[in-house]
Amino acid sequence: QVQLVQSGAEVKKPGASVKVSCKASGYTFTSYGISWVRQAPGQGLEWMGWISAYNGNTNYAQKLQGRVTMTTDTSTSTAYMELRSLRSDDTAVYYCARAPYYDFWSGRVGYFDYWGQGTLVTVSS
Amino acid sequence: EIVLTQSPGTLSLSPGERATLSCRASQSVSSSYLAWYQQKPGQAPRLLIYGASSRATGIPDRFSGSGSGTDFTLTISRLEPEDFAVYYCQQYGSSPPIFGQGTRLEIK
Repeated sequence: QVQLVQSGAEVKKPGASVKVSCKASGYTFTSYGISWVRQAPGQGLEWMGWISAYNGNTNYAQKLQGRVTMTTDTSTSTAYMELRSLRSDDTAVYYCARAPYYDFWSGRVGYFDYWGQGTLVTVSS
Repeated sequence: EIVLTQSPGTLSLSPGERATLSCRASQSVSSSYLAWYQQKPGQAPRLLIYGASSRATGIPDRFSGSGSGTDFTLTISRLEPEDFAVYYCQQYGSSPPIFGQGTRLEIK
């Protein structure tokens, strides 16, 4: 069965960086993309970006350009999301999600069919 | 960027009743590229519907989706106790993918 298992909760100070991992199993890792979605406390869902597990191509949300980097390690079927220059409003649960569809011409990301359990990142001085 | 507005914000119903949740887009969603998710407290979202009306793997047939253009609906035909949760719509007809603000379905 498809599983995405994320790393544990993190507490960071403003200005620091955080790197969250997402280990995939139960499917061919390089056949799908991975998106990252975050959810601030009591709020809705915000898409952060997408990475191809096949060739590492990325597509980031405009508001996070320059602060976020998504990578993959195909040898361990693991995706990573690093967010830099953390602020208090980056406090959220961060989810990885499998993205079965991506349109390379338009940069359009599809829906998300399997999700990790979430990683709480708290930014506080 | 498309804006998705979900209504109502909160829906109070009893088990066995029918639930109708709405998702309205600020502009037409290309090719009915709209998905619905269910999220329970402390859990990740779960995909219910994609392509406006296709049920995801393992989703009971009491869940159905409909609509096109700017107006979409998620219907739960007979509510089970486990259906009380927050529901989000998401458009993927254009970049970036956008989620609605959610509808909370609570027990009356």
